[in-house]
Amino acid sequence: EAQVTQNPRYLITVTGKKLTVTCSQNMNHEYMSWYRQDPGLGLRQIYYSMNVEVTDKGDVPEGYKVSRKEKRNFPLILESPSPNQTSLYFCASLAKNIQYFGAGTRLSVL
Amino acid sequence: EDKVVQSPLSLVVHEGDTVTLNCSYEVTNFRSLLWYKQEKKAPTFLFMLTSSGIEKKSGRLSSILDKKELSSILNITATQTGDSAIYLCAVERSGWNDMRFGAGTRLTVKP
Repeated sequence: EAQVTQNPRYLITVTGKKLTVTCSQNMNHEYMSWYRQDPGLGLRQIYYSMNVEVTDKGDVPEGYKVSRKEKRNFPLILESPSPNQTSLYFCASLAKNIQYFGAGTRLSVL
Repeated sequence: EDKVVQSPLSLVVHEGDTVTLNCSYEVTNFRSLLWYKQEKKAPTFLFMLTSSGIEKKSGRLSSILDKKELSSILNITATQTGDSAIYLCAVERSGWNDMRFGAGTRLTVKP
């Protein structure tokens, strides 16, 4: 089954404790991206990657890092999380102009 | 500044009603407009519109793009409780590495 898999689905952490949210897709898509979704703001792009070893900033990259060492994986890294990064995060991969989203990761930073 | 604006932000109707959701955009190098439905989890794709005036239809849902007015509407006829969701509009710009989302319309369909 074609899918985008994110883990974990829920995460509660404390300020400053590094965390990684994993994202994996099995559709061999070249393009992947990360979004955060906040009430009243819709989905905002954090980072995207057009292919292996090619990443670029989206609209709200501050406080986040990504890597794309292989095509299927695109982890999102928060080196020092802060409460303003409490949000719902979606990973997506793109093919033929259509984005396929993961199930989301709800992150709370205390 | 590029932007995508959806209206209304929230809508409550009863089963059987017809609803129209709006999406307007101001972006450079417009390429396509997409509608997604988001229930409890991830957004799922509904329609992609690239040409003005051509209606896309899927069951009770339909959508059309008006490039002159820089807008699109999503119609849902004979609504059902299962239509309750957030409906997201997204605009893709040429270069395909950039997609701007609206804030969404939260539709609630009551029995």
